[in-house]
Amino acid sequence: QKEVEQNSGPLSVPEGAIASLNCTYSDRGSQSFFWYRQYSGKSPELIMFIYSNGDKEDGRFTAQLNKASQYVSLLIRDSQPSDSATYLCAVRPGGKLTFGQGTILTVHP
Amino acid sequence: DTAVSQTPKYLVTQMGNDKSIKCEQNLGHDTMYWYKQDSKKFLKIMFSYNNKELIINETVPNRFSPKSPDKAHLNLHINSLELGDSAVYFCASSHDQGAAEAFFGQGTRLTVV
Repeated sequence: QKEVEQNSGPLSVPEGAIASLNCTYSDRGSQSFFWYRQYSGKSPELIMFIYSNGDKEDGRFTAQLNKASQYVSLLIRDSQPSDSATYLCAVRPGGKLTFGQGTILTVHP
Repeated sequence: DTAVSQTPKYLVTQMGNDKSIKCEQNLGHDTMYWYKQDSKKFLKIMFSYNNKELIINETVPNRFSPKSPDKAHLNLHINSLELGDSAVYFCASSHDQGAAEAFFGQGTRLTVV
């Protein structure tokens, strides 16, 4: 079992819709959870992090964490074509930041 | 004033050669990393250093040797390059081992021919 699993997609949504990205992790001791965005040919950049169960909102982004189910998700409201990128879920069990394989999101006008 | 800078950005070399990638961060961070991103975009940690000391060494061939002369620099030397080493290598840094955010360099695209 992979440490962090994501649906590689591609996920295609129309402009203005809600994009929902999902991630599961295997290490129950994980305490920190992150979502990175990576545009094609660029480096990953952090867009959200969450430590506690529940929801965390930042602008159009909402991260959701359920430690009992070992599940973390990212919702993007009012999706824009500029949101088209690969979204990487990352989990920090201890000192190591472990990434999923990423979900490719395409937002079409 | 780039936060994490890597050189070179592109590297094309023949099998069997030895090459180095340099990384520097000006954020004052204690922890630095090397990640490898393969053609399927999977980002996998290779090494992590904290204050010049190696703290994470994943299952990486001995041909890869990191060196940290000071906490602002983490270089990666690769001996006897193989076709399978072709990938994008990212350097990153974070405030400390438990810090939330890792800042990434722009990546080095290594192509072995």
